[in-house]
Amino acid sequence: TQLLEQSPQFLSIQEGENLTVYCNSSSVFSSLQWYRQEPGEGPVLLVTVVTGGEVKKLKRLTFQFGDARKDSSLHITAAQPGDTGLYLCAGEGQAGTALIFGKGTTLSVSS
Amino acid sequence: DTAVSQTPKYLVTQMGNDKSIKCEQNLGHDTMYWYKQDSKKFLKIMFSYNNKELIINETVPNRFSPKSPDKAHLNLHINSLELGDSAVYFCASSQRDRDSPLHFGNGTRLTVT
Repeated sequence: TQLLEQSPQFLSIQEGENLTVYCNSSSVFSSLQWYRQEPGEGPVLLVTVVTGGEVKKLKRLTFQFGDARKDSSLHITAAQPGDTGLYLCAGEGQAGTALIFGKGTTLSVSS
Repeated sequence: DTAVSQTPKYLVTQMGNDKSIKCEQNLGHDTMYWYKQDSKKFLKIMFSYNNKELIINETVPNRFSPKSPDKAHLNLHINSLELGDSAVYFCASSQRDRDSPLHFGNGTRLTVT
């Protein structure tokens, strides 16, 4: 069974701090996706990383896909209260299976 | 607006009842899904349909029965509700291509008392 382990599970920081969220697996994924979910809403896609070693930037968010395509990280620079939410990594399982999700990282940024 | 919409937003019911959740997408996607998010925020796939055909059926009690009248709709009917069914249920859709992102509805919070 393919699993995605996310860490940390909870993160509470002050505005302006930097943080990194990790998503690890013992399995190889063809790509990994990162989603953000706010209370009362469904997850929304932030980015998809496809190539091993790939780095993608989305304003203050930097996403990296490991060289072996087994892990990914999300780094947020100068966090703001608007970054508060649940961050989920997801990867497609073996052929014919649906997207599987990590257990998420709940981020709280206070001003 | 182009979106995935599901109803109702909240559903409170007693054990043993039967209830349905409806989902519709106007994104033109071929594939629709039902996910369950538990109290710890873990999202787990339940079912997936492609063009009205069931393609994924995870280990879900047969009290849960999805129905897809057309590729834009995927409804979820639950019989004999149990306390453990309490969760947030998300409908989603995507293109059939591998690694296509999911577009989620805003969820239905089911509370069984």
